[in-house]
Amino acid sequence: QKEVEQDPGPLSVPEGAIVSLNCTYSNSAFQYFMWYRQYSRKGPELLMYTYSSGNKEDGRFTAQVDKSSKYISLFIRDSQPSDSATYLCAMKGDTGGFKTIFGAGTRLFVKA
Amino acid sequence: GAVVSQHPSRVICKSGTSVKIECRSLDFQATTMFWYRQFPKQSLMLMATSNEGSKATYEQGVEKDKFLINHASLTLSTLTVTSAHPEDSSFYICSARRRERENQPQHFGDGTRLSIL
Repeated sequence: QKEVEQDPGPLSVPEGAIVSLNCTYSNSAFQYFMWYRQYSRKGPELLMYTYSSGNKEDGRFTAQVDKSSKYISLFIRDSQPSDSATYLCAMKGDTGGFKTIFGAGTRLFVKA
Repeated sequence: GAVVSQHPSRVICKSGTSVKIECRSLDFQATTMFWYRQFPKQSLMLMATSNEGSKATYEQGVEKDKFLINHASLTLSTLTVTSAHPEDSSFYICSARRRERENQPQHFGDGTRLSIL
């Protein structure tokens, strides 16, 4: 079993839809949770960064962490064609010795 | 926000050539930098962790003599692919983390697409 599971998609939605992206994980020691967006032939760009459980909102993006279920989500409201990219979840533990573990990434296509 | 610069963005060279890739943190000091390899439609594969002033820590299965890492300053790490062969063709991405902020997220460069003919 992988430490982090993420459906690779692709996920195709119409413009304006609400997008839900998810990851599950197995290591209960993870405390920091991140979402990165990666456009084709570019490096990942940090979108959201949260600690422990709860919600965090930034513009059209909302990140949710449910540590009891070992499940994290990224919601994108009013999706735009420019949101078409690969979204990677990532997580790490609470000490410097922990590596950041990345999900496989979900490819999202938002159709105009 | 934090900025990480990676150079060059694209390299095409003949088999047997050695290629050097630079990773710079432009507006912060990075005690630790990371080197990843990414195959098409796949996630990031950590190759090594680069620590300023000390030897890099390589992941299992990554050849140290093939992928030489130097982290000579708090803002620069280099990856040299020695005697590159077609199977080394890939997308290489570096990332950096702010000094003394071990729990902060990594910031990535824009990657280097390496093609070995």
